[in-house]
Amino acid sequence: EAQVTQNPRYLITVTGKKLTVTCSQNMNHEYMSWYRQDPGLGLRQIYYSMNVEVTDKGDVPEGYKVSRKEKRNFPLILESPSPNQTSLYFCASLGNSFPGELFFGEGSRLTVL
Amino acid sequence: QKEVEQNSGPLSVPEGAIASLNCTYSDRGSQSFFWYRQYSGKSPELIMFIYSNGDKEDGRFTAQLNKASQYVSLLIRDSQPSDSATYLCAVNGGTSYGKLTFGQGTILTVHP
Repeated sequence: EAQVTQNPRYLITVTGKKLTVTCSQNMNHEYMSWYRQDPGLGLRQIYYSMNVEVTDKGDVPEGYKVSRKEKRNFPLILESPSPNQTSLYFCASLGNSFPGELFFGEGSRLTVL
Repeated sequence: QKEVEQNSGPLSVPEGAIASLNCTYSDRGSQSFFWYRQYSGKSPELIMFIYSNGDKEDGRFTAQLNKASQYVSLLIRDSQPSDSATYLCAVNGGTSYGKLTFGQGTILTVHP
């Protein structure tokens, strides 16, 4: 089954404790992206990756890191989480044919205390 | 000005009516436009995309694009309670291709 898988789905952590949210897709897509969703603000792009080893900042990259060492994986790293990073996070991959459909993971709800 | 802006909701329509959702964008070079539906607690799913001026119809859904006015809309005919969801407009291309930008979403409620 074609899918984007992200883990963990739910996480409660404390300020400053490094965490990684994993994302994996099995559709051989070149493009992957991370979004955060907050009430009234819609989906805001954190980082995106056009292909392996190429990443670029989205609208809200501060406090986040990503890496793209292989096509299928695109982890999101919070080196020192803060309460303002409490949010719902979505990983997505973009279909390779124009104009491209975004396939979303199920979301990861992160709470930073 | 926000890059992608949707009409403020929530929008409430009776069953069987036409729901009209609107979106404007600021980057005149934007190339492709998408409407996603998101049910509460779920991830967004693609309803339609459009990249040429004019109308595009798919079942009960019609997307309309006017690049001169930088405006894209989604019409839902014969609205059903199952259409109740948040609708997200997304815009790709322009000055930074690959940077897909979403609007803030419009909550639609279809009441019986």
